[in-house]
This record gives sequence, C-alpha cells and structure tokens, in this order.
Amino acid sequence: KNQVEQSPQSLIILEGKNCTLQCNYTVSPFSNLRWYKQDTGRGPVSLTIMTFSENTKSNGRYTATLDADTKQSSLHITASQLSDSASYICVVPYGQNFVFGPGTRLSVLP
Amino acid sequence: DTEVTQTPKHLVMGMTNKKSLKCEQHMGHRAMYWYKQKAKKPPELMFVYSYEKLSINESVPSRFSPECPNSSLLNLHLHALQPEDSALYLCASSQVGTSGRSYEQYFGPGTRLTVT
Repeated sequence: KNQVEQSPQSLIILEGKNCTLQCNYTVSPFSNLRWYKQDTGRGPVSLTIMTFSENTKSNGRYTATLDADTKQSSLHITASQLSDSASYICVVPYGQNFVFGPGTRLSVLP
Repeated sequence: DTEVTQTPKHLVMGMTNKKSLKCEQHMGHRAMYWYKQKAKKPPELMFVYSYEKLSINESVPSRFSPECPNSSLLNLHLHALQPEDSALYLCASSQVGTSGRSYEQYFGPGTRLTVT
C-alpha cells in the first residue's frame, strides 16, 4: 500500500533552536519527494523537491535529506523563527495522484 | 507569475444554496486539482483535470460538480451540501506529468467553506 508517514505528529521548540522532522514512505515506483509548509487556513507552499538521485538539498534555513534505499527523508530547520510555526507536509507523487503524509505541526515559542 | 488564485476566500452557505468556487492560474499548467482539507488533516484529492478533461474523480458525491472551462480556470459547483462538507477547499495546478516524472504542484490559498 502506498503510504507516507511523518513524525513527530507535533513539536514545540524555542525560537532560535534547530529541529528535524521525519518522513517515511512506501510509495512505489518512486520519482521524487516534496516538503510543503502550510500555515493554518492557507494553501501549502513548496519548500523543496528531492529527486531519486539527490541526497541533500538546502533552501535557506531548511535542509532536506533523502535516503532512497531506506525510503526516508528528513527536513532540518536551523535557527528557528516564530514564522516557522506551521504544519510541514511530506508528499510523494504516485501517477497523477499525490500521497500526502499527515504532517508535523511545529510550534516555535519566543 | 507562479500564483494560483482562488475566490472567494470565505463562503458561508445553507444546505439548499447553490454556489461556486473559482480557481485561476496563468502558468500554462495543463493539470488542475481540487482538494478538500479538514482541520489538522492533510489535503484529500477530489478531482484532477488534465488538458481540460476530468481524469480523476475520487468517488466524490455528486453534490460537488467540477468544471474546467479553459486551461486557466477551474470551478467547483456546490449544491445541497451537508454541514460535514465544511472544510478548506484547495485548488492546485502543475504541468502534466509523464510516465516516471511528475511536476511540482502550486497551491492556491484556499476557500474556507462553512455549510450551515
């Protein structure tokens, strides 16, 4: 069954701290994996797309990793800011469809 | 222009009303999507249009009726909705994927629908 799992379900950190979010997938065949940030009541915004051949990709304070052998990805956020408070969703395409993970709800406190 | 726009931002409707949600993009994308998202849940795919033709209908009730009048517009017509249909409705667009390749989806800000 094609699934995407994420952990933790929720996370609370202090401003300025780093954190890492995890994504495991069983979608096959695999072509790429996407991380989205979604603010409450808004549409998801793409942070990064990881293709099969990429291990690490950075976008500002966001760094994504991909291990296609173990089917795991992580999103590392450095020096967190209050504006990082949002849901982070891992998505893997499957044909014309997209398999969404349940998301990790991150809260950054002052 | 990498923007997907949706109107209205908020909509409150009774169970006997007929209303429509609108989505527009000018990125030349030929795949457009409707998603439904309940609070604290990931988006659930409803419909996919590819080259203005309905290619995926995820067993959505007939009270939701999609329409793609041209390559830039996507509508969702609503009729006789139930309170449980209250949710955030997201539109997205992308280039049409081919076998073994898919493209990034761009999401609109969503329409917050409340059915009373």
